[in-house]
Amino acid sequence: DVKVTQSSRYLVKRTGEKVFLECVQDMDHENMFWYRQDPGLGLRLIYFSYDVKMKEKGDIPEGYSVSREKKERFSLILESASTNQTSMYLCASSLLPRTEAFFGQGTRLTVV
Amino acid sequence: AQSVAQPEDQVNVAEGNPLTVKCTYSVSGNPYLFWYVQYPNRGLQFLLKYITGDNLVKGSYGFEAEFNKSQTSFHLKKPSALVSDSALYFCAVRDPDSGGYQKVTFGTGTKLQVIP
Repeated sequence: DVKVTQSSRYLVKRTGEKVFLECVQDMDHENMFWYRQDPGLGLRLIYFSYDVKMKEKGDIPEGYSVSREKKERFSLILESASTNQTSMYLCASSLLPRTEAFFGQGTRLTVV
Repeated sequence: AQSVAQPEDQVNVAEGNPLTVKCTYSVSGNPYLFWYVQYPNRGLQFLLKYITGDNLVKGSYGFEAEFNKSQTSFHLKKPSALVSDSALYFCAVRDPDSGGYQKVTFGTGTKLQVIP
């Protein structure tokens, strides 16, 4: 089975801190994604990557950056955390654009 | 631009009754359609997808969905609901004809509550 692992289930950070969310997948998938999930808004794409060192902006990239130095690892970075970035963050991977995505368990981030 | 709508925030159904969770979409070409389920404090799990072929798609846990091109719908169904089906369900669409990298658009989710 594909496994997508996010480094933390819960995080509490202070406003202005630099925050790293890590995601690792073990199935050699080309494509990796970062979403945030908020009640009533569903999932919104922050960034995605279709290859090592390649990245594309999603729908809401402001305030975020990403890094993909190795195929299996995709990191989301909040350069200066703000309270409006309090959310559930979901990482996902997929083999091809037409195939289903596999999700990590999510990181619930609270910025205080 | 592609979009997907889940018109019901919540669906309540009695255990043993059939259930339907609605999804409609808008794309410029022929869609790829997906259903995912999310249990509390978990990531999403894939249920089923429509790419091409038979309009009726069968997936995990006894769920199925019917692709209806004329009504641009992809409703999720199950003949007999279980209490354990209670969860948040997401419909998603990808437009393979949109050019460039084809991102997936998710609906806002429908909470399914199965009442014992």
